Amino acid sequence: AQSVAQPEDQVNVAEGNPLTVKCTYSVSGNPYLFWYVQYPNRGLQFLLKYITGDNLVKGSYGFEAEFNKSQTSFHLKKPSALVSDSALYFCAVRDRLLFSGGYNKLIFGAGTRLAVHP
Amino acid sequence: SAVISQKPSRDICQRGTSLTIQCQVDSQVTMMFWYRQQPGQSLTLIATANQGSEATYESGFVIDKFPISRPNLTFSTLTVSNMSPEDSSIYLCSVVVGSGVFTDTQYFGPGTRLTVL
Repeated sequence: AQSVAQPEDQVNVAEGNPLTVKCTYSVSGNPYLFWYVQYPNRGLQFLLKYITGDNLVKGSYGFEAEFNKSQTSFHLKKPSALVSDSALYFCAVRDRLLFSGGYNKLIFGAGTRLAVHP
Repeated sequence: SAVISQKPSRDICQRGTSLTIQCQVDSQVTMMFWYRQQPGQSLTLIATANQGSEATYESGFVIDKFPISRPNLTFSTLTVSNMSPEDSSIYLCSVVVGSGVFTDTQYFGPGTRLTVL
C-alpha cells in the first residue's frame, strides 16, 4: 500500500532563512514523488517531481527536493525563504509498480502549512 | 503543462439541491480526476473519469451522489447531488499530462469552493 507522511502541521521560518518541509513515503515498488503548493483560495500548483536519476530535483520558485531512498524521504527545501512562500504544501507519491493494469492513483500527504515571517 | 478552468469558482447552495461543476482543459487529455478537499484537510480522490468509459469511483463515493460526465477529451462535469452541509468542500479537477504513465504529471484546476447551508 502507498502512503505519505508529512510530520509537521506547520513550519515557521524567518524571511531569508533556509526552509525545509519534510515528507516520508511508503510504496511497494519504486516511487514517483511530487510536491504541490496551494495558495489561499487557489488550486494546487505543481512544484517539482522525482522520477529517476539525480536525487536532487529543482523546481519552480527556487524550490528543490532531495530524494533519499534509504530514509524513504523527499524533503522540500529552499535556501532563502520569502514571505510570499507562505502557503500549504502537499507531498504526493505514486507507486511505479502497476497493480492490475491501469494507472496508480496519486496519494497525498496531510499537508504542511509554511509561514514565513518578515 | 495544462491550463485548467473550473466553473463556478464558488457557490453557496441550499440543502437538498444539486450543483454541477464544469472542468475545461486547454488540450486533449485522456485521464481526468475529481478530488474533494474538505476544510483543513488533504485531497481525497472521488473518481477517475476517462473519455469513452464509465467513471471509476473510489471507496466511499457513489455515482448516485457524484455523477460524472466525460463527453470529450477536454471537458468533464461533476455533479454533487442532494447536498448536505457535509458536502461543503473544495472540489478540484485534475488531469494527467505526459507521454506515458511513468513520465506524466498531474495538474490541478483552481477548484470550486462549495458551501452548503
